[in-house]
Amino acid sequence: DVKVTQSSRYLVKRTGEKVFLECVQDMDHENMFWYRQDPGLGLRLIYFSYDVKMKEKGDIPEGYSVSREKKERFSLILESASTNQTSMYLCASSTTGGRKTQYFGPGTRLLVL
Amino acid sequence: GQQLNQSPQSMFIQEGEDVSMNCTSSSIFNTWLWYKQDPGEGPVLLIALYKAGELTSNGRLTAQFGITRKDSFLNISASIPSDVGIYFCAGQLRFSGTALIFGKGTTLSVSS
Repeated sequence: DVKVTQSSRYLVKRTGEKVFLECVQDMDHENMFWYRQDPGLGLRLIYFSYDVKMKEKGDIPEGYSVSREKKERFSLILESASTNQTSMYLCASSTTGGRKTQYFGPGTRLLVL
Repeated sequence: GQQLNQSPQSMFIQEGEDVSMNCTSSSIFNTWLWYKQDPGEGPVLLIALYKAGELTSNGRLTAQFGITRKDSFLNISASIPSDVGIYFCAGQLRFSGTALIFGKGTTLSVSS
C-alpha cells in the first residue's frame, strides 16, 4: 500500500520563524513534490525534486526552499515565515516511469501569526 | 501556468442521485487522474486513466479519458453521504515532464 507521510498535521508559527515541513514516502519513488492549497486557488506547485539533491522550481517558489538528501525524504523550508504563507501544504510522490500517478500525504495545515 | 477547466464548481444533490463532473482543456493530455479530498485531509487517488477512450470503474465511480485527449469525466452513481468532499481532476500534458496540472475542484454536498 502506497504511503506518504508528513511530519505534522497542524503547525502554528510566528512571523519570521524558520519552518521545516518534512515528507517521507515508502514507495521508492524518484519524484517528490510540494504544493500549497488555498481556497479558490486550487493546488499550486511550489517545488519538485526528480532525484536526490535535485530540485526544480514550480509555479510559486518565492519564499520557500527545499532539501532532498535522501530518496525517501523531501523537506520544505520557509526561511522566514510570513502571514501570507498560512496555508495547507501537501506533499506528493510519483515514479519516473510512463505512469506518473502522484500520491499525496495527509497535508500540514500551517498558521503563521 | 496552465489550468484545467473543471465543472461544475459545486453540486448539491440528494442521496441516491447520480453525479457527473468533467474537466476540459485546449491542450492534449496523456494521463488523467481523479482525486477526492475530505476536509482537512490530502487528496486520495480514485481513478487513473492512461489511454484515450479508456473507461475505468472503481465501485460506484466511473471515469473516462476523452477520445480527443482534451477532456475527462467522472460519474458517481447512487450517491451516499460519505461521497461528500472535493473532487479534483489532474492531467499530464503530452510531451511534458513530471508535473501535473490540476483542476480547481468540484465540491459535492449530499443530503440524506
